[in-house]
Amino acid sequence: DAGVIQSPRHEVTEMGQEVTLRCKPISGHDYLFWYRQTMMRGLELLIYFNNNVPIDDSGMPEDRFSAKMPNASFSTLKIQPSEPRDSAVYFCASSPGGRGARNEQYFGPGTRLTVT
Amino acid sequence: GNSVTQMEGPVTLSEEAFLTINCTYTATGYPSLFWYVQYPGEGLQLLLKATKADDKGSNKGFEATYRKETTSFHLEKGSVQVSDSAVYFCALGNQAGTALIFGKGTTLSVSS
Repeated sequence: DAGVIQSPRHEVTEMGQEVTLRCKPISGHDYLFWYRQTMMRGLELLIYFNNNVPIDDSGMPEDRFSAKMPNASFSTLKIQPSEPRDSAVYFCASSPGGRGARNEQYFGPGTRLTVT
Repeated sequence: GNSVTQMEGPVTLSEEAFLTINCTYTATGYPSLFWYVQYPGEGLQLLLKATKADDKGSNKGFEATYRKETTSFHLEKGSVQVSDSAVYFCALGNQAGTALIFGKGTTLSVSS
């Protein structure tokens, strides 16, 4: 299995621009998570989906952030407009769910976003 | 709600030293407990897990025991290597069993 795939790996953009981060979860996993990691705030859960449906988006910082999961093999996290304080590493993770592997998450390599 | 607290770093050790990273939790019920490791420039990787009280998770020489009486899940390794230098995260399942709650991470630096 290729694991969780994220693209792009690095993104540099100017303030005010729209940014779209992409994630392909592990095939067969029912849960998908978006995290943000910064030195100041550590690892933060932004939103997660179960069977393509958003379950908890309480970690989404503000309306500039949106996430979608149109099908079981693809999700996007969009920031519009972007601001310098959005600079961070964004991780996608997926989980098989189910009692046997309850909670166990597999992380992608991350997208390093720099907003200038 | 469920929460986790882990010792702050950085932890600096010499090669072959004994490692302990403390992790305590607050939880309703009996959540699964995890240690994840993040090497520089990479995503988090599952290191080990335990799903019930007194379970011991182990992997790559690391061990942690699910202690219900002390609500702890301390990570230990008998002899660390330079290649173990990374950030270690303790985590537990949320009440619904659908997501993880992570600690703030502990940076380990091992020198030769």
